[in-house]
Amino acid sequence: GQQLNQSPQSMFIQEGEDVSMNCTSSSIFNTWLWYKQDPGEGPVLLIALYKAGELTSNGRLTAQFGITRKDSFLNISASIPSDVGIYFCAGGYTNAGKSTFGDGTTLTVKP
Amino acid sequence: DGGITQSPKYLFRKEGQNVTLSCEQNLNHDAMYWYRQDPGQGLRLIYYSQIVNDFQKGDIAEGYSVSREKKESFPLTVTSAQKNPTAFYLCASRGTLDRGPMGQSNYGYTFGSGTRLTVV
Repeated sequence: GQQLNQSPQSMFIQEGEDVSMNCTSSSIFNTWLWYKQDPGEGPVLLIALYKAGELTSNGRLTAQFGITRKDSFLNISASIPSDVGIYFCAGGYTNAGKSTFGDGTTLTVKP
Repeated sequence: DGGITQSPKYLFRKEGQNVTLSCEQNLNHDAMYWYRQDPGQGLRLIYYSQIVNDFQKGDIAEGYSVSREKKESFPLTVTSAQKNPTAFYLCASRGTLDRGPMGQSNYGYTFGSGTRLTVV
């Protein structure tokens, strides 16, 4: 199946620091989605992007749909302990039945 | 409240036995999906269904089977042919009529809370 390269694989940061992670693909996507998964739970949608170049915020989270449509990044500002979890990107195509997920970025926040 | 429910949360089975994982949604979503997640790894697609009585294999369908007799339900059977069945299984649904602001489909999935299957 199609692969997304998500990096970094893991991050260990201090509370209050900003975080940045990204996803790249060899193919073009029409949508980019970012999810967060808490331990032992299912992922929850954070931000959805639908247009190349689009920059969207959700509280302390900001995500951008790359202009080439082959990449996306997610920034978290002023991290807090509850930001801990696994963050997944997912790319999709118009009218396609399924999205392709990255392997996730595991975030650890030290108080 | 609308949502997607997976049961049970934890499941233990003996090697060689088939086991069925339940997934029910009351979101009126057309499409449903099954993913497998192993420790430290991402989500791998097992099967998906875009409409009742139809489903397609994902990337790792071998050793699994599904049915979609009702819009609300998409049970997954882990058969004895699955060589390494111990994993965390996630069900998801998506409303195919949902659209983003540019008219695209592929709005976000709604995931269940998962079933952790352990085969001993």
